[in-house]
Amino acid sequence: NAGVMQNPRHLVRRRGQEARLRCSPMKGHSHVYWYRQLPEEGLKFMVYLQKENIIDESGMPKERFSAEFPKEGPSILRIQQVVRGDSAAYFCASSRTEVNAEAFFGQGTRLTVV
Amino acid sequence: AQTVTQSQPEMSVQEAETVTLSCTYDTSESDYYLFWYKQPPSRQMILVIRQEAYKQQNATENRFSVNFQKAAKSFSLKISDSQLGDAAMYFCAYRSSYNNNDMRFGAGTRLTVKP
Repeated sequence: NAGVMQNPRHLVRRRGQEARLRCSPMKGHSHVYWYRQLPEEGLKFMVYLQKENIIDESGMPKERFSAEFPKEGPSILRIQQVVRGDSAAYFCASSRTEVNAEAFFGQGTRLTVV
Repeated sequence: AQTVTQSQPEMSVQEAETVTLSCTYDTSESDYYLFWYKQPPSRQMILVIRQEAYKQQNATENRFSVNFQKAAKSFSLKISDSQLGDAAMYFCAYRSSYNNNDMRFGAGTRLTVKP
């Protein structure tokens, strides 16, 4: 059973371009979480999705950021018109349905905006 | 709102010695879960240990154990017989039992292990 897969591992974008980060949850997991980690900081919650539904996006900036988790395929975190401040590591985690289910993390995508 | 505080940005320990990493949290909930995650340079987040708030017994996993003080809202991690491979960032995390998505992380403690 493969773990949570994120790609790409590293992504470089120029200011104003779009960034697309992908996350394939573990088999059997229907919950996906996205976190952002700035240098020397902990993880900050961005958005929580279930298949085809956004459950909580309270941690995601209202402008330029969007996320989806379609019925088929990976979850996508999309950042439009990237700015230097978007440079960070973005982590995806997935879990089963149960409330106490452990969340498993991917290895993250490091986004660098130049 | 729930907050998680790790007051030690950096800690160091001699190989084979014991080190304790501190974590406090703030919550009004009575049921929740607490975790310690390890993040080595590879950036992979690895679950080290978890504790259910309703359990009084402190969780242990081999060389890793916690001191869970519910009344004090304290959740420290003890690493015994430290090994070079233990060097990493360690994050304390809180997860609500009522909101599956509500998982909060501390800012982390960077642990250095000296040979």
